[in-house]
Amino acid sequence: QVQLQKSGPGLVKPSQTLSLTCTVTGYSITSNTHYWSWIRQPAGKGLQWIGRIYASGVTNYNPSLKSRVTISVDTSKNQFSLNLTSVTAADTAVYFCVSTNRGHDSFDYWGQGTQVTVSS
Amino acid sequence: QSALTQPASVSGSPGQSITISCTGTSTDVGGYNHVSWYQHHPGKAPKLMIYDVNVRPSGVSDRFSGSKSGNTASLTISGLQAEDEADYHCSSYTPRIARVVFGGGTKLTVL
Repeated sequence: QVQLQKSGPGLVKPSQTLSLTCTVTGYSITSNTHYWSWIRQPAGKGLQWIGRIYASGVTNYNPSLKSRVTISVDTSKNQFSLNLTSVTAADTAVYFCVSTNRGHDSFDYWGQGTQVTVSS
Repeated sequence: QSALTQPASVSGSPGQSITISCTGTSTDVGGYNHVSWYQHHPGKAPKLMIYDVNVRPSGVSDRFSGSKSGNTASLTISGLQAEDEADYHCSSYTPRIARVVFGGGTKLTVL
């Protein structure tokens, strides 16, 4: 059973960088059956796809966030990470790390969401 | 504003059937069969209920079914149960540009 455990601060100051790391257990992040994604949900709004990474390091990003987002992978630790720069209050949301099934490009395993608030 | 349009809320009584729509364009929902549906109980992790328009993952009740017509996908829940009360989100993947879009989510209330 794939499990995803997120770590990172719950409070970030405006203009700073939001950094989250997701540790995958029960599955190898280098498996060719999945890639690894970040999704967020602002309060009262729908889900927003942030981007994804293959174990090879290839990334795809949401065009609306692309200039501020970096997703990276550390295969030695079975982890992948999110960096979002120059944050504002609009980046306040519940953040999820998620596995994406390459066979049908859907999100099959989700970590517990974590509230990240941007505030001074 | 979400790329896909869902009704904000739907409701039904136990035992009834409801349908939630998800409307996109010919470049996402209408162009590919990569439509998925997720059930989200607040405070918990979302759960994949349907992928590729109408395929249920192992373990998902056959009361849940998906379909698509043109640019609109639909999720139907039959034999409503109290535990079905949750938020439901649709998503569409566009392979040509490797992009995922979601709907705004629909709150299902079981009366």
